[in-house]
Amino acid sequence: AQSVAQPEDQVNVAEGNPLTVKCTYSVSGNPYLFWYVQYPNRGLQFLLKYITGDNLVKGSYGFEAEFNKSQTSFHLKKPSALVSDSALYFCAVGYSGAGSYQLTFGKGTKLSVIP
Amino acid sequence: DAGVIQSPRHEVTEMGQEVTLRCKPISGHDYLFWYRQTMMRGLELLIYFNNNVPIDDSGMPEDRFSAKMPNASFSTLKIQPSEPRDSAVYFCASTWEPGTQYFGPGTRLLVL
Repeated sequence: AQSVAQPEDQVNVAEGNPLTVKCTYSVSGNPYLFWYVQYPNRGLQFLLKYITGDNLVKGSYGFEAEFNKSQTSFHLKKPSALVSDSALYFCAVGYSGAGSYQLTFGKGTKLSVIP
Repeated sequence: DAGVIQSPRHEVTEMGQEVTLRCKPISGHDYLFWYRQTMMRGLELLIYFNNNVPIDDSGMPEDRFSAKMPNASFSTLKIQPSEPRDSAVYFCASTWEPGTQYFGPGTRLLVL
């Protein structure tokens, strides 16, 4: 079985400051890791993914995430937060093998960027 | 590309009524997923299809829920009879590659 934990329900950060949204995972085999963002009254949008290769992954809107195998973490980061980054962020995990198309999502972290 | 299309966007119905949600995936995508999102339970996978065939329906909560995909461009999720606890936002998503799913705008269902 695979699982994802997002330990913070909400993260508040001042505009211009760096932001981090945390995610840890549990999976048998090699993980596929993803971040999605959801704006109010919208569906989820893909931000970035880690499948293999470089542990630092760059994605849309200036976001990046670092895969850390020893800590089983995949934290989302951005050097300078914008008010428009305020949204709900979901971490998701799949695994390389049968069922790799099926993702397990975390409960989400609400990011609020304060002007 | 129009993206994943869902209809209706909003549905209000009374307990006991049948509800049908519809989804048109992105052309060329051979995987289709149905999710339910609530404040209490977060985002739950209900069922997913590959090439119109249901692969895993273990997330379907009860026999009141059923899903079909008669062809590559259309899927339905039906609830019969509906109950107030079914109130949620239902999302459809499609993809052709592992993990990168493309979500529709969702159907907000309220069962009174």
